[in-house]
Amino acid sequence: DAGITQSPRHKVTETGTPVTLRCHQTENHRYMYWYRQDPGHGLRLIHYSYGVKDTDKGEVSDGYSVSRSKTEDFLLTLESATSSQTSVYFCAISESSATNEKLFFGSGTQLSVL
Amino acid sequence: DQQVKQNSPSLSVQEGRISILNCDYTNSMFDYFLWYKKYPAEGPTFLISISSIKDKNEDGRFTVFLNKSAKHLSLHIVPSQPGDSAVYFCAASGAGGTSYGKLTFGQGTILTVHP
Repeated sequence: DAGITQSPRHKVTETGTPVTLRCHQTENHRYMYWYRQDPGHGLRLIHYSYGVKDTDKGEVSDGYSVSRSKTEDFLLTLESATSSQTSVYFCAISESSATNEKLFFGSGTQLSVL
Repeated sequence: DQQVKQNSPSLSVQEGRISILNCDYTNSMFDYFLWYKKYPAEGPTFLISISSIKDKNEDGRFTVFLNKSAKHLSLHIVPSQPGDSAVYFCAASGAGGTSYGKLTFGQGTILTVHP
């Protein structure tokens, strides 16, 4: 299994509070991603990173920010959580070459915003 | 705008029979397709993939077929086993390496294999 650790595994928070989710990898992969999974939508890309301090927006980036100060860590922050951000969040990593688009996923963080 | 669609939310199959999961896409720029399997409380795991230059890829009990003209792909599992019961996601990426692993996923299909 790819060495990906997400923390926390579960989080319950209140509307309007800031929340930070952490993804830590031990594979030294260059690319890291944050996806959210919701019923009827599958997995949707929030933000991704192609190197330290290099990040970009995905399909559903509004209300989220990210930071990557080290190769192994990718943080996802909800500046002011809303109920629509209740979801399961998955971190993924990739070597991502022209012949390999395979992603390896962490176990997920279940976030509930009340 | 759902660019990758799995129109069957669920599929039930008897052990030993064939499971066929379907996926349709609308973006003709997609050139690489993947299937992921997900068990409850776990992250998705890679199952099998196919490049747009091929129409079939096989790995053990799993075969993926690609019909580019119809923008359709399917995953065949033969024979199906109870341990195959999971959610299956179809995913697609475009423009080769420049897409940087930004996959577009379908909604998922819940496969249940009955003993």
